[in-house]
Amino acid sequence: DTEVTQTPKHLVMGMTNKKSLKCEQHMGHRAMYWYKQKAKKPPELMFVYSYEKLSINESVPSRFSPECPNSSLLNLHLHALQPEDSALYLCASSQELSSADTDTQYFGPGTRLTVL
Amino acid sequence: QQQVKQSPQSLIVQKGGISIINCAYENTAFDYFPWYQQFPGKGPALLIAIRPDVSEKKEGRFTISFNKSAKQFSLHIMDSQPGDSATYFCAAFTSGTYKYIFGTGTRLKVLA
Repeated sequence: DTEVTQTPKHLVMGMTNKKSLKCEQHMGHRAMYWYKQKAKKPPELMFVYSYEKLSINESVPSRFSPECPNSSLLNLHLHALQPEDSALYLCASSQELSSADTDTQYFGPGTRLTVL
Repeated sequence: QQQVKQSPQSLIVQKGGISIINCAYENTAFDYFPWYQQFPGKGPALLIAIRPDVSEKKEGRFTISFNKSAKQFSLHIMDSQPGDSATYFCAAFTSGTYKYIFGTGTRLKVLA
């Protein structure tokens, strides 16, 4: 099973709201990722977690706050977002971080976020 | 040097035809090259991947051709079907790093 699930599928929020995106995988993967994807563009890496610890922050604004409560779950907390933050937010996981034989990243279906 | 150049940007193919998407890279440290298929509103799904020690890999109607000396790789979709209509992203990765370098994407439309 190579499934990564994400909730909610769609989210509309105002600029003063606080909301959270959730990602879950049960493949025993120890690396998890958040990506942002704008229309007709490739995914852009935001955060990388390895063994539940934040490994990489790709200079993402502090209004995005990731959290990894356990090895299966990854959250993205959103606060005071701007309309330009509207995008498809993708979660991905891989068996390990930076392992030659386990590099494949599996993506979830994404959360379509609209900021009004 | 970290870029992956993908072409064409869009492609229209008749049903039953061959779809060919090309990618080129500069960084010789890349050692893993996956292709992802993405339908509108969905996340990218791994289609097929190759490492540079092989020149070709085939899975069903999908084939990756890899030319290490030219630093190019391509995706061939044989007997293209309307259900193949999607955006395709090539990517490159270096073991020991964390980051996929994605191509800019190719929007494929297969006409019935």
